[in-house]
Amino acid sequence: QSVLTQPPSASGTPGQSVIISCSGSSSDIGTNAVHWYQQFPGTAPKLLIYSNSERPSGVPDRFSGSKSGTSASLAISGLQSEDEAQYYCATWDERLTGSWVFGGGTKLTVL
Amino acid sequence: QVHLQESGPGVVKPSQTLSLTCTVSGDSITGGGYFWSWIRQPAGRGLQWIGRIYSRGGTTNYNPSLKSRATISMDTSTNQFSLELTSVTAADTAVYYCARDFIDSRTYWDYFDSWGQGALVTVS
Repeated sequence: QSVLTQPPSASGTPGQSVIISCSGSSSDIGTNAVHWYQQFPGTAPKLLIYSNSERPSGVPDRFSGSKSGTSASLAISGLQSEDEAQYYCATWDERLTGSWVFGGGTKLTVL
Repeated sequence: QVHLQESGPGVVKPSQTLSLTCTVSGDSITGGGYFWSWIRQPAGRGLQWIGRIYSRGGTTNYNPSLKSRATISMDTSTNQFSLELTSVTAADTAVYYCARDFIDSRTYWDYFDSWGQGALVTVS
């Protein structure tokens, strides 16, 4: 069971917008920045959003992130078929000696 | 452009030690403000962080859930860092990724900005 909670699936049609949520607690999201990773089958995860809302170079501005309190969200606008992938949120958990924690992942399907 | 590549045995027997190496090219593992991490992913499941080592000084952090079975070390002469996981069971079967944990000097938040392609390790 993951420390961060994500919906297991999300879907939308091309051109639509979709939001993926990530819920945590005061010791993780409530204290630290949230980062998002995109993973296609058989490949390594790729950094999509860092520090809650920043986009690495090369990531389309259709992808945006936000954080409020102990929750974060990834928004994808103008859905494209190539956005179909698994999405993971991650943050640092301050409990015990500290540890990176991930959400369980959300499989985005573009219908 | 940094590149990371995992290497090691693809099969490990139960109760033995899993050993993997990550070769880093395009950057020095002792340069800059980085951690170097190991992350794993069982088939069809999510990501689990194993631990990390700091580029300057070699301080390590580990996932408490691994109950001290993991050890991460660095070899500056070969620009590699390594993972040893002892007393493995079938539950340790996974794709193992090495990743650079980049520390943003503006915010001091860190995140995984570069990943290796992953190495499948089967415990059997």
